[in-house]
Amino acid sequence: DAGVIQSPRHEVTEMGQEVTLRCKPISGHDYLFWYRQTMMRGLELLIYFNNNVPIDDSGMPEDRFSAKMPNASFSTLKIQPSEPRDSAVYFCASSLQGTYTGELFFGEGSRLTVL
Amino acid sequence: AQSVTQLDSHVSVSEGTPVLLRCNYSSSYSPSLFWYVQHPNKGLQLLLKYTSAATLVKGINGFEAEFKKSETSFHLTKPSAHMSDAAEYFCVVRYQTGANNLFFGTGTRLTVIP
Repeated sequence: DAGVIQSPRHEVTEMGQEVTLRCKPISGHDYLFWYRQTMMRGLELLIYFNNNVPIDDSGMPEDRFSAKMPNASFSTLKIQPSEPRDSAVYFCASSLQGTYTGELFFGEGSRLTVL
Repeated sequence: AQSVTQLDSHVSVSEGTPVLLRCNYSSSYSPSLFWYVQHPNKGLQLLLKYTSAATLVKGINGFEAEFKKSETSFHLTKPSAHMSDAAEYFCVVRYQTGANNLFFGTGTRLTVIP
């Protein structure tokens, strides 16, 4: 079975441009999480969805960030306009609530560089 | 306050020697505890988990961890390090109320010397 799939793996853009990161969770998983990883802050939860509904977006840095999950097999994280401080690795993870064990399955991440 | 502390940011061992990565948590609840591993340019992968069953937990690749409530610790060990163990290791604590309350440690980078 395929794991969590993220695209693009690498993105280099200029300040002010729009960035869209994509995620396909594991089929059947009902939770989807977006994390950001930086050297300074480590892993930060940005937002998570349950059954395609955003549950907690308190970790989203500011209004420039938005996330959607139009269906159970796809989610996007958008940054508009992007800034150099947004440079980080963004991870998507999914989980199956039925286990309720906290086990997350992570994608390989999208490395974003904003110049 | 609920948190998790990884005591070492970097651990270096020789191949074939034991590995010890330390983790302490603070909580007033009975937590679930996890260790995740992140290889370079990869996502995090679950190594093992403790969810109030046996206190000694065995994971993949020969790793194990022991839950010690009296010490609020969940240290990760392996009897003999392999070159492929070189990676970043994260201790993660989960509390029983909701799916978003995962607390990630700051990570320990393990270097294995040939």
